[in-house]
Amino acid sequence: GESVGLHLPTLSVQEGDNSIINCAYSNSASDYFIWYKQESGKGPQFIIDIRSNMDKRQGQRVTVLLNKTVKHLSLQIAATQPGDSAVYFCAETNDYKLSFGAGTTVTVRA
Amino acid sequence: GAGVSQSPSNKVTEKGKDVELRCDPISGHTALYWYRQSLGQGLEFLIYFQGNSAPDKSGLPSDRFSAERTGGSVSTLTIQRTQQEDSAVYLCASSRETQETQYFGPGTRLLVL
Repeated sequence: GESVGLHLPTLSVQEGDNSIINCAYSNSASDYFIWYKQESGKGPQFIIDIRSNMDKRQGQRVTVLLNKTVKHLSLQIAATQPGDSAVYFCAETNDYKLSFGAGTTVTVRA
Repeated sequence: GAGVSQSPSNKVTEKGKDVELRCDPISGHTALYWYRQSLGQGLEFLIYFQGNSAPDKSGLPSDRFSAERTGGSVSTLTIQRTQQEDSAVYLCASSRETQETQYFGPGTRLLVL
């Protein structure tokens, strides 16, 4: 069967490796999903988004995967760099009100 | 271009005092949002503006909280008679239109003593 990635509050990754951050969302009516990165003392920074009519979208070094069947979202970061250390939030909405996940703290080991 | 700006960046106040937090959205963005981020908790929605009107105030925690937006641009979030539980980071975001990508400001860190 299909496995659903477990949401982990923290993720430690070796520099240069790929990172996968998972998020389970709650509202089956949500049709727009966003990943944000938040560094200490700063506001959330937009990374990448995806609408419900897609299941994959790629950006620069990042890929978002959406599985609507199991209400799961993931963010893949290729060749993780020290500057990727931050808290990553997924957010969902079907109107204008964003609902945020708990966040995953990513620490990149040199 | 310039992003969302917020002021002050930090605010320390005494319990019972009123505070005003300011947000300057990205130029041309018609929608503006306020969120609150408390320590150990995620971001929670407070209020949304489309133009100068606020069709959704459902997230405001109590009647001590109010917000306004003038000229379709700057917004002010006011907290009256602050309480210690109001201590949090208050984040503002704007989007070009409703249901488009929201871009966040750096936040105002409020500490109520």
